[in-house]
Amino acid sequence: DIQMTQSPSTLSASVGDRVTITCRASQSITIWLAWYQQKPGKAPKLLIYKASSLESGVPSRFSGSGSGTEFTLTISSLQPDDFATYYCQQYNSYLYTFGQGTKLEIK
Amino acid sequence: EVQLLESGGGLVQPGGSLRVSCAASGFTFTSHAMSWVRQAPGKGLEWVSDISGSGGTTYYADSVTGRFTISRDNSKDTLYLQMNSLRAEDTAVYYCAKGRGGAAPAQYWGQGTLVTVSS
Repeated sequence: DIQMTQSPSTLSASVGDRVTITCRASQSITIWLAWYQQKPGKAPKLLIYKASSLESGVPSRFSGSGSGTEFTLTISSLQPDDFATYYCQQYNSYLYTFGQGTKLEIK
Repeated sequence: EVQLLESGGGLVQPGGSLRVSCAASGFTFTSHAMSWVRQAPGKGLEWVSDISGSGGTTYYADSVTGRFTISRDNSKDTLYLQMNSLRAEDTAVYYCAKGRGGAAPAQYWGQGTLVTVSS
């Protein structure tokens, strides 16, 4: 099975900051990676698919990059609505797997 | 508008069975793979199972293989997850999700249904 490791587990930042979350795969997944945002008590929301494609309706301050085994999610200028937990998911091969999540907190 | 509405969650004893459902609307159901993803209380997301649009191909996480069965009724636009031999560690919110036509596994999500396994 492909293991996904996110870092950091928790990130404290302020409104207006640029933040980056990293996701590493235990083997190459080419570009088959998605990023999701989840707020407490809510279902996850798709942000990025195929490593760098922005889902329709998602603000352009979100961007994804990477291929192979290392990927990043960048938020260019944090907004109050962005404080949430973020997950990566590989879908290169079954069994699909999620990272453990990164909680983005207000500093 | 895509809508996914899960139902059927509840309290079940260890070793028991439960079937959760996901009623879909707003898209051509038979054209899309569907997923079940779960989240234990206070924990992260765990992919559980996928089914192709026709229902002919299914996949399962190791943790549920042999106990859970995913299925779909394309005449009713409904996805199912039959859960047998339930364990305490199966306690979670179960979400259904619609694929993005091969580009992403979970484009739209339902609101989730809570399954609690406890005596």
